[in-house]
Amino acid sequence: QVQLVQSGAEVKKPGASVKVSCKVSGYTFTNYDINWVRQTTGQGLEWMGWVTPNNGDTGYAPKFQGRVTMTRNTSTSTAYMELFTLTSEDTAVYYCARRSGSFWYDPWGQGTLVIVSS
Amino acid sequence: SYELTQPPSVPVALGQTARITCGGNNIGDKNVHWYQQKPGQAPVLIIYRDSDRPSGIPERFSGSNSGNTATLTISRAQAGDEADYYCQVWDSRAVVFGGGTKLTVL
Repeated sequence: QVQLVQSGAEVKKPGASVKVSCKVSGYTFTNYDINWVRQTTGQGLEWMGWVTPNNGDTGYAPKFQGRVTMTRNTSTSTAYMELFTLTSEDTAVYYCARRSGSFWYDPWGQGTLVIVSS
Repeated sequence: SYELTQPPSVPVALGQTARITCGGNNIGDKNVHWYQQKPGQAPVLIIYRDSDRPSGIPERFSGSNSGNTATLTISRAQAGDEADYYCQVWDSRAVVFGGGTKLTVL
């Protein structure tokens, strides 16, 4: 079955960067965009952007433009999201999700908790 | 930027029908998708393109979209339906989520 498996939890210092991975299985990696969405504690969902595995094209939400990079490795069917210059406000669970059709997401990865603390 | 408005909470009696709204300017012109999220879990797609159900989602879940309001309807509510529900659209090259609605089954 289709699965997206993310890397484990991270604890980072303010000013550092974090790189989260999302390894897919059960379908052809290059056929679907991978999007990243985060969720701060007790809050709603916030879209960050996407990467197109077929050609590496990316699109980022304005809030994260210049502070995030989304990449992929087609040989390992893995997508990556790297967020720079972390602050405590970046403490959140980060999800990858496969995009279908008119931008709906199914399925999602299990989430990766990133804690930013001094 | 486009905004989606959901009520923070919706109560429903066990076995009754719950309706969760998602308001947005001319949202009827957009494709609306809905997700269910239980505590400690990732969101799960339950409705896409306004009213389509992915395989494995019970028929008790249905959706509609017209004018300025999209609605998720949950019939014969069960205790296991207690969760947060989020609506979502694509607008002007950006993905927008509603703020989420906590469904409480009484």
